[in-house]
Amino acid sequence: SQTIHQWPATLVQPVGSPLSLECTVEGTSNPNLYWYRQAAGRGLQLLFYSVGIGQISSEVPQNLSASRPQDRQFILSSKKLLLSDSGFYLCAWSFSQVNYGYTFGSGTRLTVV
Amino acid sequence: EDKVVQSPLSLVVHEGDTVTLNCSYEVTNFRSLLWYKQEKKAPTFLFMLTSSGIEKKSGRLSSILDKKELFSILNITATQTGDSAVYLCAVGTSGSRLTFGEGTQLTVNP
Repeated sequence: SQTIHQWPATLVQPVGSPLSLECTVEGTSNPNLYWYRQAAGRGLQLLFYSVGIGQISSEVPQNLSASRPQDRQFILSSKKLLLSDSGFYLCAWSFSQVNYGYTFGSGTRLTVV
Repeated sequence: EDKVVQSPLSLVVHEGDTVTLNCSYEVTNFRSLLWYKQEKKAPTFLFMLTSSGIEKKSGRLSSILDKKELFSILNITATQTGDSAVYLCAVGTSGSRLTFGEGTQLTVNP
C-alpha cells in the first residue's frame, strides 16, 4: 500500500533563515505531488504541484520554491523566511487521475519568529 | 478562476443534533467533488462524488452532489463529540488538481 512521509512535524525558525521541508511517497510510481499551505486551520492554498521529476508548477508568487529531485521526493524550500511564511504545510500525492483524490502527509507546523 | 465556497464557516451543536454542511462551486472542467475531515493534522478522505443525485453514505455521514445547481451537502446525523473537526470540500478539475474551500469548523458539545 502507499504511504506518505513528511517531516519535520514542527519547526520554529527565525526570520531570514532558510527552510527545507521534505516529503516522500512509498508504494507507487510517478505520483503527482503537491505542497499546500493552510493558515489559521482553514482552507488549503495550493503552492506547488509536480507531475514528474524536475517538473514543478507554481501557483502563487511567493518566497518559496519546490524541487522534485527523485520520482517520489518533493522538497519545499526558502532561502530567507518571512513572518508571513508561518503556517501549516501539507504535502499530498495522487495518482494521475483526480478521481482517486489526494492522500496527505501529516503536515509541518512552521512558526517564523 | 476556480472557486469553492463552504457554509457555514463555523457551527456549534450539541451531541445528538443533525448538521448539514454546504459546498458550492464555480469551476471549469469539473471532474469530482471531495469531502475531507481534518482534526489536528492531515485531512482524511470522506467521500468522492462525481454524479448528481447519488448519495454516498458511511455510517452517520452522507453526501450528495447536484451538478446542475453546482453544490454538495454533507450530512452528519446523531453527532458525537468525535465529529468535531474542520470539514473541507474540494473540487477536482482537469490535471488532477483540487481547489479547496475555506472549510467548516464543526464543534459538537456534550
